[in-house]
Amino acid sequence: NAGVMQNPRHLVRRRGQEARLRCSPMKGHSHVYWYRQLPEEGLKFMVYLQKENIIDESGMPKERFSAEFPKEGPSILRIQQVVRGDSAAYFCASSPRDVSSYNSPLHFGNGTRLTVT
Amino acid sequence: AQKVTQAQTEISVVEKEDVTLDCVYETRDTTYYLFWYKQPPSGELVFLIRRNSFDEQNEISGRYSWNFQKSTSSFNFTITASQVVDSAVYFCALSEPGGGSSNTGKLIFGQGTTLQVKP
Repeated sequence: NAGVMQNPRHLVRRRGQEARLRCSPMKGHSHVYWYRQLPEEGLKFMVYLQKENIIDESGMPKERFSAEFPKEGPSILRIQQVVRGDSAAYFCASSPRDVSSYNSPLHFGNGTRLTVT
Repeated sequence: AQKVTQAQTEISVVEKEDVTLDCVYETRDTTYYLFWYKQPPSGELVFLIRRNSFDEQNEISGRYSWNFQKSTSSFNFTITASQVVDSAVYFCALSEPGGGSSNTGKLIFGQGTTLQVKP
């Protein structure tokens, strides 16, 4: 019973590079959420995806950030041309179905800590 | 708009003391869920509890207990006989409900309370 798997655990990028964060949901889960935790802050919702669909991206910055959840493979959060302000912990969560059905809580991964130098 | 406030930024107690972490929420919805998560120094998020808006019964799980009061929009968390291993950041969260196509189920988190339990 593997939990939500995120990799890498730590990622260091120089300003201007691209960052790719991966999230494999729990087995049988088809819904993925990405959250960002800036230093000393709580988690903020970024995007909600189902397989091959972006359902809600209201928390995503308008530029440089994108997310996908293909039919096969993990969900990817991609940050282009990273800046220092992107340094944060990025958490992925999954659920077996729409969490609003309230059947289960979100199960979070261990997060990816992105440091932009 | 939905909002979660954890007014206590940091709390420090000595081992074996009881400690209560406050959580106040705002929502106009009648159906919602409240959560507590623990984030130990290692950084992962550990689910502790989920409570729906129709169930105001207090819950106890070992040394943990939760007091849900709709009248004051609060969902406080008490640790009895605290231990050093309880040292962590604790987050309260509110699910954002919706209806039909607007359902997303995303969580709104408070700022977190850092609990330090000293030996």
